[in-house]
Amino acid sequence: EPEVTQTPSHQVTQMGQEVILRCVPISNHLYFYWYRQILGQKVEFLVSFYNNEISEKSEIFDDQFSVERPDGSNFTLKIRSTKLEDSAMYFCASLLQPDTQYFGPGTRLTVL
Amino acid sequence: AQSVTQLDSQVPVFEEAPVELRCNYSSSVSVYLFWYVQYPNQGLQLLLKYLSGSTLVKGINGFEAEFNKSQTSFHLRKPSVHISDTAEYFCAVLPGRRALTFGSGTRLQVQP
Repeated sequence: EPEVTQTPSHQVTQMGQEVILRCVPISNHLYFYWYRQILGQKVEFLVSFYNNEISEKSEIFDDQFSVERPDGSNFTLKIRSTKLEDSAMYFCASLLQPDTQYFGPGTRLTVL
Repeated sequence: AQSVTQLDSQVPVFEEAPVELRCNYSSSVSVYLFWYVQYPNQGLQLLLKYLSGSTLVKGINGFEAEFNKSQTSFHLRKPSVHISDTAEYFCAVLPGRRALTFGSGTRLQVQP
């Protein structure tokens, strides 16, 4: 069964550094998402992406964040200057239609 | 706007006992309803979903949920739990193709 993959599984970085989290969505899916889960808290929506552009973003997704689909398979989340409060598990998800999002295993980001 | 309330943050239960995890939602538009499970150190896995039709939906691992429109609820049930069901369970709503809104999660702890 096809699945969403994410790399790396764990990323440790220093505050102020840039990080890029990578996702490979399911190949024929059209909608892509990033969510995050701060330890012990609920899963929160960050951004959705369709047809090579952002279709919706939350208030969390400020100018420090960006997303890109650089080729036909990868979907990336970049954080330009990481803060301590960016430490979280970041989940990628993809959707064909009309309803079920499939989640990757997540990348645990630790900002020191 | 949508919101999801999971009233119980933790539910301890003995093995082979029945369990119900409660979920209530609010939305100004029609939504799809989902339950996801997160096993320790893993990503989110879809348990079941309600889109339309029969209000009783069956999912994987013996779980089922009932959609109650008048009470805006979507409670998850299992008649007999196993140790392996120990996990975090998240209720979520999806209005169309927009982002999932998750509840805060319920930690199911199955004891021998």
